[in-house]
Amino acid sequence: QQPVQSPQAVILREGEDAVINCSSSKALYSVHWYRQKHGEAPVFLMILLKGGEQKGHEKISASFNEKKQQSSLYLTASQLSYSGTYFCGTESSGNTPLVFGKGTRLSVIA
Amino acid sequence: GAVVSQHPSWVICKSGTSVKIECRSLDFQATTMFWYRQFPKQSLMLMATSNEGSKATYEQGVEKDKFLINHASLTLSTLTVTSAHPEDSSFYICSARDALRGNEQFFGPGTRLTVL
Repeated sequence: QQPVQSPQAVILREGEDAVINCSSSKALYSVHWYRQKHGEAPVFLMILLKGGEQKGHEKISASFNEKKQQSSLYLTASQLSYSGTYFCGTESSGNTPLVFGKGTRLSVIA
Repeated sequence: GAVVSQHPSWVICKSGTSVKIECRSLDFQATTMFWYRQFPKQSLMLMATSNEGSKATYEQGVEKDKFLINHASLTLSTLTVTSAHPEDSSFYICSARDALRGNEQFFGPGTRLTVL
């Protein structure tokens, strides 16, 4: 079942922060986050596994609340290069295909 | 890092013809490969999962006779769109997973198919 992402779209000025949420109605084994630029393939950002992980990658971090079946992606001090569509992909168990949310379109303006 | 390539990166064909898209894992062995289709401004929709040496598992609503998938080796999977029609025009993306590297999926750069 497709996870639900929110918001659908967000516009930020450079330096502002954003949070993108991903929630599922099913129990999750892992959550994967990707960013996709127009006309390109998705680029992997990070994986979070069950167990309530939190991870960071420069100014981009994420959390995974296994009990709530939710994950959030945190973008701090946004840069123009952060613009793109962010997708979460979820697994219900290990080695199963990812099911992607509809995406969140992020636009960072100067 | 793990690299996945796709060929061709784009293709234009006439209605009724067949098109083959290749997906290769360049520096690792892909125990599982996945094929996705993405329409403009939409999400990635899983079409099928293929494991080396076995038949692909297709998602509901995907015609296996129309979208032929062959995973002949641990580094190559092919998707053939048979008797293509304009509604098959889309961005086709493959991804590969190496069981030894954990759960991460590595995506290819995608193939844009346009059927006239």
